[in-house]
Amino acid sequence: DIQMTQSPSSLSASVGDRVTITCQASQDVINYLNWYQQKPGKAPNLLIYGASDLETGVPSRFSGNGSGTDFTFTISSLQPEDIATYYCQQYNYVPITFGQGTRLEIK
Amino acid sequence: QVQLVESGGGLVKPGGSLRLSCAASEFTFSDFYMSWMRQAPGKGLEWVSYISRNGRTTHYVDSVKGRFTISRDNAKNSLFLQMSSLRAEDTAVYYCARLRGEGYNYGQADFWGQGTLVTVSS
Repeated sequence: DIQMTQSPSSLSASVGDRVTITCQASQDVINYLNWYQQKPGKAPNLLIYGASDLETGVPSRFSGNGSGTDFTFTISSLQPEDIATYYCQQYNYVPITFGQGTRLEIK
Repeated sequence: QVQLVESGGGLVKPGGSLRLSCAASEFTFSDFYMSWMRQAPGKGLEWVSYISRNGRTTHYVDSVKGRFTISRDNAKNSLFLQMSSLRAEDTAVYYCARLRGEGYNYGQADFWGQGTLVTVSS
């Protein structure tokens, strides 16, 4: 199975900060990589698909980059409503696998 | 707006069975792959299974192979997950999700249901 390793596991930042989360795959997943946001008690929400494509309706402060085994997810200017846990997910191989999540808090 | 509504969760004893359902609306159900994901209490997300548009292709995570069966009824816009030989480690919120993709790669879960809790305990 493809292991997805996210870093950091948790992150505290201030409103307006630039925030970056990394995701490393144990094998090449090309660009079959998504990013999700999950708020407490809610289902996940797709933000970025295909490593760098912004899902319709998602604010442009969210972005993704990378290919192969190394990926980044960035919030350009953190907003209070961005408090959530973020997950990367690969779908180049079955089983589809998720990273362990990054919990983002406001400082 | 796309809607996915899961049902069928509950408390079941180890070794028991349960059938989850997901009712889909406001999109052409037969045009999409569908999936079940789960999330154990306080834990991360885990993909469980997915099924192709016509139901002929299915895949499972190893931990549920031989115990869970995914199926769909395109005439009734419904997705199912038959779970048997349930274990304590299957305790989780189970989500159904619509999948987008292309070629051999279907994994963009663009709409999710609200989830249904399955608790396996004696």
